[in-house]
Amino acid sequence: EVQLVESGGGLVQPGRSLKLSCAASGFTFSNYYMAWVRQAPKKGLEWVATISTSGSRTYYPDSVKGRFTISRDNAKSSLYLQMNSLKSEDTATYYCARHDYYSEDYWGQGVMVTVSS
Amino acid sequence: DVVMTQTPVSLSVSLGGQVSISCRSSQSLVHNNGNTYLSWYLQKPGQSPQLLIYKVSNRFSGISDRFSGSGSGTDFTLKISRVEPDDLGVYYCGQGTQFGGGTKLELK
Repeated sequence: EVQLVESGGGLVQPGRSLKLSCAASGFTFSNYYMAWVRQAPKKGLEWVATISTSGSRTYYPDSVKGRFTISRDNAKSSLYLQMNSLKSEDTATYYCARHDYYSEDYWGQGVMVTVSS
Repeated sequence: DVVMTQTPVSLSVSLGGQVSISCRSSQSLVHNNGNTYLSWYLQKPGQSPQLLIYKVSNRFSGISDRFSGSGSGTDFTLKISRVEPDDLGVYYCGQGTQFGGGTKLELK
């Protein structure tokens, strides 16, 4: 059974940093692209980042480019999201997702990030 | 950037009924390899999104045949037949880096 478990969320002040983690199991992690998708309170889904199988290629929307960094450790079957210079508009539930056929086919339960002073 | 527009924003349905949700993209979703990558997701209340349909019309593992996807180019449709209580929630279309705004399916 595919499982994705996020951790690392919490309350952080504007301008500070936070690192999210996602532990994957139930599939060969190194064979799949992975992604982060977020959802602001009462809002829709927003793609945040995607990473290739080896980690050599990463993709971001303009809203987080230069501030967020997606990375992975295939030996640990783990995905990460380093978030720097956080803004109030980054407040959201962050989902880790497996990426296949340009779709997110499995999702974690999500982790809440609140950016507030 | 591609913009995905879903209609309607909300939908009321009777149990056992049928509904259609439309998703339109601002540019063709036909990839260089000839495939069209349009997906549909359902987010039930209090849960994470789940994949229903990928590559326009392919049902994901374990998804009921009451869900069907169709379309091409820039216009796509999700049909749900014989609606059940467990189908209620918000439906999103997506193409990898953009999601539609969502369609909330409620009971009439």
